[in-house]
Amino acid sequence: AQKITQTQPGMFVQEKEAVTLDCTYDTSDPSYGLFWYKQPSSGEMIFLIYQGSYDQQNATEGRYSLNFQKARKSANLVISASQLGDSAMYFCAINTGFQKLVFGTGTRLLVSP
Amino acid sequence: SAVISQKPSRDICQRGTSLTIQCQVDSQVTMMFWYRQQPGQSLTLIATANQGSEATYESGFVIDKFPISRPNLTFSTLTVSNMSPEDSSIYLCSVENDRTKVGGQETQYFGPGTRLLVL
Repeated sequence: AQKITQTQPGMFVQEKEAVTLDCTYDTSDPSYGLFWYKQPSSGEMIFLIYQGSYDQQNATEGRYSLNFQKARKSANLVISASQLGDSAMYFCAINTGFQKLVFGTGTRLLVSP
Repeated sequence: SAVISQKPSRDICQRGTSLTIQCQVDSQVTMMFWYRQQPGQSLTLIATANQGSEATYESGFVIDKFPISRPNLTFSTLTVSNMSPEDSSIYLCSVENDRTKVGGQETQYFGPGTRLLVL
């Protein structure tokens, strides 16, 4: 079975600063994908970034980057130059190829002016 | 990515009644899923909506409580039956197919969600 652990229930960051949201995972499958989603207060789930287990390089997507450390089974999300609109819940998720996404408990990020 | 809409966006219902939530996609997709997010919780997969056949339910979810239809490759419905206050949640549909691949991996894209409050 797959498991995602997000140990930070809440994080605070000042505008324009960088922030790292932690995610560790547990799976016995050699092939898997790691995803990060953002959920604003409106409730929608917005896909941010993906990292494959065999990808050699860390994924980047605009201000989002993924610090993937396979040996430690961690896939931390780094948001650079935080903006007020980044305030939201952030969920890490894993997919081992059976189209089933397993989500972590989420981290609430608050960006202050 | 696909454009996904859900109806209704929110509703307040009385216990014992049923609500049907619609999910519409702007293009044909292979996979459609229904998730539940209880207040302050993470997302839990309810079922995979299969076109032309019965949905595949996850452990803890049954067809009598959450009947699902998928008449074609762009539309699905989820019914929450005989509701109780414990059913108050956000219900989200998601889709996945070859067109939603990122880095060679099918990626799920979500609809805007339906906020349900049961009194």
